[in-house]
Amino acid sequence: DAGITQSPRHKVTETGTPVTLRCHQTENHRYMYWYRQDPGHGLRLIHYSYGVKDTDKGEVSDGYSVSRSKTEDFLLTLESATSSQTSVYFCAISATGPWEDTQYFGPGTRLTVL
Amino acid sequence: EDQVTQSPEALRLQEGESSSLNCSYTVSGLRGLFWYRQDPGKGPEFLFTLYSAGEEKEKERLKATLTKKESFLHITAPKPEDSATYLCAVPIYGGSQGNLIFGKGTKLSVKP
Repeated sequence: DAGITQSPRHKVTETGTPVTLRCHQTENHRYMYWYRQDPGHGLRLIHYSYGVKDTDKGEVSDGYSVSRSKTEDFLLTLESATSSQTSVYFCAISATGPWEDTQYFGPGTRLTVL
Repeated sequence: EDQVTQSPEALRLQEGESSSLNCSYTVSGLRGLFWYRQDPGKGPEFLFTLYSAGEEKEKERLKATLTKKESFLHITAPKPEDSATYLCAVPIYGGSQGNLIFGKGTKLSVKP
């Protein structure tokens, strides 16, 4: 298994509060990604990173920000959580790419916004 | 519009009953197609990458094939432990942006 951990694994929060999800990898891969998975939509890309301090937006980036200060860590922040951000969030990594190289996924974080 | 469509949405098989899952795409200039398996409460697990029409890859009871318009995941003599949701994904490119587009998946249930 690719060395990817996500924390927390489960979180319940209230509307309007800030939330930060962490992805940590031990593979030294250059690319890291954040996806959300919702019933009826499949996996959708939120943001991705192609190196330390290098990030770009994905398909559903509104309401989310990211940061990557170290190769191994990629943080996803919801500045002011809304109920529509209730979802399961997955981090992924790839060595090269970003789109043609295999992405390996973490175990996910289930976020509930009340 | 670039799309990835998987069918059927759900498939119930008896143990040993072979079948196929379909992933069709409308992406022009395909540059790879990925198959993943996802168990409930877990992240997608990589199975196969296919890059060109005619390519085939096998792993245990699974065989993935690729044509110019679709990919099939053939499951031969499935076992209950093959029960999972199977996802396919295709990279797309638009201007300076790219993305990996996932289908919604096929939920496979194999009964003993």
